[in-house]
Amino acid sequence: NAGVTQTPKFQVLKTGQSMTLQCAQDMNHNSMYWYRQDPGMGLRLIYYSASEGTTDKGEVPNGYNVSRLNKREFSLRLESAAPSQTSVYFCASRGLLWGGEQETQYFGPGTRLLVL
Amino acid sequence: KQEVTQIPAALSVPEGENLVLNCSFTDSAIYNLQWFRQDPGKGLTSLLLIQSSQREQTSGRLNASLDKSSGRSTLYIAASQPGDSATYLCAVVVGRGSTLGRLYFGRGTQLTVWP
Repeated sequence: NAGVTQTPKFQVLKTGQSMTLQCAQDMNHNSMYWYRQDPGMGLRLIYYSASEGTTDKGEVPNGYNVSRLNKREFSLRLESAAPSQTSVYFCASRGLLWGGEQETQYFGPGTRLLVL
Repeated sequence: KQEVTQIPAALSVPEGENLVLNCSFTDSAIYNLQWFRQDPGKGLTSLLLIQSSQREQTSGRLNASLDKSSGRSTLYIAASQPGDSATYLCAVVVGRGSTLGRLYFGRGTQLTVWP
């Protein structure tokens, strides 16, 4: 199992450009999440998807859109990038801890985005 | 709104020391609390998960306690090693169910263990 994968790993954009961050999981999880992490800050939830076909706003949704393409894939789109969106973006999916009954979130390696 | 605070923000210790990392949260109506580890340039890895009805969890040299009524958790690392160097994040889960299970994160404690 690859777990949660994200592409690209690193991206530089100019202000006003658009791009889509891709996320996929192979653990058959229903719920998926997008977070951003800024220096000295904890992770903040941008959007989440409780199941295929549903999406909901998190704490900081402005400037982003998401698509839950299917059960495996959850993409995050920046329509017109701004310098304030420079951050590290993490995708996660929620499922059972290995061998346990409790749920946790499994995180991808992150996408580092720099907006000039 | 749930707020999670971690103290200290950074910690640098020699190898072999026993450490305590602190986490506090404002709303005690949590479902569970988790401690994650984040290595530089990497994603997060779950270390320990404590249910709201539990007092502590242990995994190897790690022990996490939870005092839900006072809104506090501690992560105890015994006999620290250089390989423990990482950022440790505390997160609480509010509620459960398909649209819940949201994680609220603290800002983390950056730990450096030197030989």
